[in-house]
Amino acid sequence: SQQGEEDPQALSIQEGENATMNCSYKTSINNLQWYRQNSGRGLVHLILIRSNEREKHSGRLRVTLDTSKKSSSLLITASRAADTASYFCATPIQGAQKLVFGQGTRLTINP
Amino acid sequence: SQTIHQWPATLVQPVGSPLSLECTVEGTSNPNLYWYRQAAGRGLQLLFYSVGIGQISSEVPQNLSASRPQDRQFILSSKKLLLSDSGFYLCAWRGTGRETQYFGPGTRLLVL
Repeated sequence: SQQGEEDPQALSIQEGENATMNCSYKTSINNLQWYRQNSGRGLVHLILIRSNEREKHSGRLRVTLDTSKKSSSLLITASRAADTASYFCATPIQGAQKLVFGQGTRLTINP
Repeated sequence: SQTIHQWPATLVQPVGSPLSLECTVEGTSNPNLYWYRQAAGRGLQLLFYSVGIGQISSEVPQNLSASRPQDRQFILSSKKLLLSDSGFYLCAWRGTGRETQYFGPGTRLLVL
């Protein structure tokens, strides 16, 4: 079964608005990662948050982690058309030997 | 800097034909290497991973196999393709002791 599950599956917003995606996971983790995938391309690592961190920022990205609820959120502020992509959360298993990815949130930014 | 290559970018093959997809990494040594498959609009399914030359771990029993003949080369193969093998195949690498994976551009395989 999937370790991470994203919500919503699809999100469509207007350019300039903020986009929030959520990820839930099942087992204890020492970090959680977010990746972006443009259509037909490979995944690109966005940000990693460790289990002892509650919030992390990178440019227009803000990630939160609530280990008590086993959930994380990714906020993209002031969205741009170039942010249109699928976003995946991933959690390590087997001592970080492997990553388990969720099904992703498909984000569309409308001009 | 490190780069990862995959080829071919697109492949159309008949059912029953063999398959060989190649992935190479530059600029790093002894990487962990991964093969994933992604169905349309879905998440990634880990197929194989390798921690060193000749060391392959299989995640999903199926029609595919993997090999690592050189430190920075990872090959995905099949002797006879099935329709269900169609998908987007992604190779990734991770530095020893690191946590982030870096992905190649992918190969889109269509089996007809």
